[in-house]
Amino acid sequence: AQTVTQSQPEMSVQEAETVTLSCTYDTSENNYYLFWYKQPPSRQMILVIRQEAYKQQNATENRFSVNFQKAAKSFSLKISDSQLGDTAMYFCAFMSDSGYALNFGKGTSLLVTP
Amino acid sequence: GAGVSQSPSNKVTEKGKDVELRCDPISGHTALYWYRQSLGQGLEFLIYFQGNSAPDKSGLPSDRFSAERTGGSVSTLTIQRTQQEDSAVYLCASSLDRFNEKLFFGSGTQLSVL
Repeated sequence: AQTVTQSQPEMSVQEAETVTLSCTYDTSENNYYLFWYKQPPSRQMILVIRQEAYKQQNATENRFSVNFQKAAKSFSLKISDSQLGDTAMYFCAFMSDSGYALNFGKGTSLLVTP
Repeated sequence: GAGVSQSPSNKVTEKGKDVELRCDPISGHTALYWYRQSLGQGLEFLIYFQGNSAPDKSGLPSDRFSAERTGGSVSTLTIQRTQQEDSAVYLCASSLDRFNEKLFFGSGTQLSVL
């Protein structure tokens, strides 16, 4: 089974600064998908960004970008120009190309301070 | 509907009672997932429905847990003889089909077993 590890239980960043959240995973597969989800206090998981393993180019969505290192099995999320509304739990997730269930890490609680 | 709808939003029950949690997926989505989120933990896969196929129940933690999906739409997760360790947020998600890895989540049901 694939495992997803988020080594930072909590992080804090000042508004307008940049923060990077770490994620590593373990798999023997070659094709898969990686995701970052945001969970605000409303509890609803919101997809932030996704990366297809066969694409070498790092995904970018506005202020959010990833650093995907396939050989190192690392998938970090960079949030630029942090905003107060970015305060939330962030979960890294893995989905096999041959499967259908997301495997989640335990999450990183991000606090953006004024 | 516009999104995945779950009810109730919060449920408090006494140990030993049965509870039913409901999920109404996005119209047209054939894939439906249930996840459990315990305090301080990531999301734990429970069960997966795809169209009229037999569900993948491999994540259900015990035989006290069951789920059904009627008419390929609404799903109900039932927990019999609830225990305190069942206290968690139960999240439902749907996707267009098995081959679409973009999941849309509901806001979950917070279950508290006293």
